[in-house]
Amino acid sequence: ETGVTQTPRHLVMGMTNKKSLKCEQHLGHNAMYWYKQSAKKPLELMFVYSLEERVENNSVPSRFSPECPNSSHLFLHLHTLQPEDSALYLCASSQTSVTSSYNEQFFGPGTRLTVL
Amino acid sequence: GQNIDQPTEMTATEGAIVQINCTYQTSGFNGLFWYQQHAGEAPTFLSYNVLDGLEEKGRFSSFLSRSKGYSYLLLKELQMKDSASYLCAVRVITGGGNKLTFGTGTQLKVEL
Repeated sequence: ETGVTQTPRHLVMGMTNKKSLKCEQHLGHNAMYWYKQSAKKPLELMFVYSLEERVENNSVPSRFSPECPNSSHLFLHLHTLQPEDSALYLCASSQTSVTSSYNEQFFGPGTRLTVL
Repeated sequence: GQNIDQPTEMTATEGAIVQINCTYQTSGFNGLFWYQQHAGEAPTFLSYNVLDGLEEKGRFSSFLSRSKGYSYLLLKELQMKDSASYLCAVRVITGGGNKLTFGTGTQLKVEL
């Protein structure tokens, strides 16, 4: 059991729906991440939030909209998705410091998203 | 940009030793991580190398050569539960956060 939880674990949505993925970390970390994991492809970094500010946006389509209301919560709002967006969406958190030592990322269990 | 290569699949026998290689080309290298991911589960941290050499942690060891852009993960005394995907990830220096770039993962199958 990790200190990062994600809900829902599974989601099926149509292309016209609007839904949100939620991530919560209980580790006291100050950075949170969204990744997309598709079959046979590497984990793709989507967004990074550090101290609740978005510091990275990896050319993600605007139909994905992240929100980080505080250091413990991260959301991914979804609207008008395409079938190719079907994937496992993973949230992670880490403690980022200026001295930048270990700082490994702790992952949540993911949300398996299917877009019909 | 970053490029990370690792074999797609490997098969090994229970009780044996297996070495999973990872090569990378990157700028701003700031450490290499190995993660284990069982099917349908979250990746879990295994090891971290930032300096050249071998890091040992129980049955698992990881090696890094920065000059060669090369790392390997060594698993000893293989058990059936070690069947999983092993992800190599490189951390790069960036303006903010802690950015990891992952390889596609090596699917390890442990057989009797």
